[in-house]
Amino acid sequence: QQQVKQSPQSLIVQKGGISIINCAYENTAFDYFPWYQQFPGKGPALLIAIRPDVSEKKEGRFTISFNKSAKQFSLHIMDSQPGDSATYFCAASMGGSGGSNYKLTFGKGTLLTVNP
Amino acid sequence: GAVVSQHPSWVICKSGTSVKIECRSLDFQATTMFWYRQFPKQSLMLMATSNEGSKATYEQGVEKDKFLINHASLTLSTLTVTSAHPEDSSFYICSARVSGRSTDTQYFGPGTRLTVL
Repeated sequence: QQQVKQSPQSLIVQKGGISIINCAYENTAFDYFPWYQQFPGKGPALLIAIRPDVSEKKEGRFTISFNKSAKQFSLHIMDSQPGDSATYFCAASMGGSGGSNYKLTFGKGTLLTVNP
Repeated sequence: GAVVSQHPSWVICKSGTSVKIECRSLDFQATTMFWYRQFPKQSLMLMATSNEGSKATYEQGVEKDKFLINHASLTLSTLTVTSAHPEDSSFYICSARVSGRSTDTQYFGPGTRLTVL
């Protein structure tokens, strides 16, 4: 059972445009939602993360929007650049509660291509 | 800060041999480390959770006798793929959670590409 659904699978955006990636989760016990960026042949790098007590978090060109009632969260990349071309993963965790030991549940990933 | 290294970055071995992959937290202590494998164009699949000084907890379907995990110190965890076969070829990635904090943040290593001939 996939607990975090991510869409779209792939996304092509023009330079300067806005890239939007969406994720939906099922487990209401999740309380931590990070986004990771991964370049080919590299490990994932933490981009930005949010907790359910806020609806939006912004760091530079990256913004997470969070809708607790809809159980959805999204990543917005403003002024997208060719260097942003990578695979993006959303994830969710329920911390240390219930023996979960801070495990992350990942979405399937979105391949973003930003054309120059 | 929060740098995680892996060694080796890539390894090629013959079928039937064992391979050890090291994961180190360079500038922080990690009570908990995680091991993932990733196939091309797929997401990360959690293999096991490793807590310092105790036995690893394996995810369902992961053979603990094949993928031996040791977390002997707060900065080092190792994954040994025993009797490797071509189907074990994959990208193995570790991550570490900073000790002493009730934080979920995991920092990932650069990954190890294993190719079994």
